[in-house]
Amino acid sequence: DVKVTQSSRYLVKRTGEKVFLECVQDMDHENMFWYRQDPGLGLRLIYFSYDVKMKEKGDIPEGYSVSREKKERFSLILESASTNQTSMYLCASSLAGGKRDEQFFGPGTRLTVL
Amino acid sequence: GESVGLHLPTLSVQEGDNSIINCAYSNSASDYFIWYKQESGKGPQFIIDIRSNMDKRQGQRVTVLLNKTVKHLSLQIAATQPGDSAVYFCAENMDAGGTSYGKLTFGQGTILTVHP
Repeated sequence: DVKVTQSSRYLVKRTGEKVFLECVQDMDHENMFWYRQDPGLGLRLIYFSYDVKMKEKGDIPEGYSVSREKKERFSLILESASTNQTSMYLCASSLAGGKRDEQFFGPGTRLTVL
Repeated sequence: GESVGLHLPTLSVQEGDNSIINCAYSNSASDYFIWYKQESGKGPQFIIDIRSNMDKRQGQRVTVLLNKTVKHLSLQIAATQPGDSAVYFCAENMDAGGTSYGKLTFGQGTILTVHP
């Protein structure tokens, strides 16, 4: 069974803390994505990566960075967490070069910044 | 249908009824579309997809219809069950299999509630 896993389901951090969200996929997918999901706003793309060490900004990259040192792992970093980054964070992966772009999602991490 | 804003569209149906969820997509160049289902506390799960060279595609109890003229996508669920209660998202890709790296643009979602 294919899987995308995220390191935490729930996380509570304080303003100004550095936060790491980890995502691992076991499908040998080239593409990986980080989204945030807020009520009424759907899924908004923060960053994505199409290969190891490659990264591209999505629609809302401000306040975030990412790291892809290994193909299976994609990390989202909040350098200095702020209350407006309280959200549900979803990681996804997909196979490159196919005719379909189905993304497989992890269960999400609900982050609260106090 | 889906719309921009803080309040998601909602659809309430009785168990056994057919459900239709609508989505207006934004880009006439999009050539690949997906419907996802997201249950409470879980990540989105793939339901069905369709390419722009098709008008209709059927799965198990689900059908997706694509009207490119008016940029409209719909998901039909037959004999809706309580387990179908979830948020449903449509997503589009402008360049499936090309250089878009698989990026999808998601709609805001529709809440489906199925009453026993």
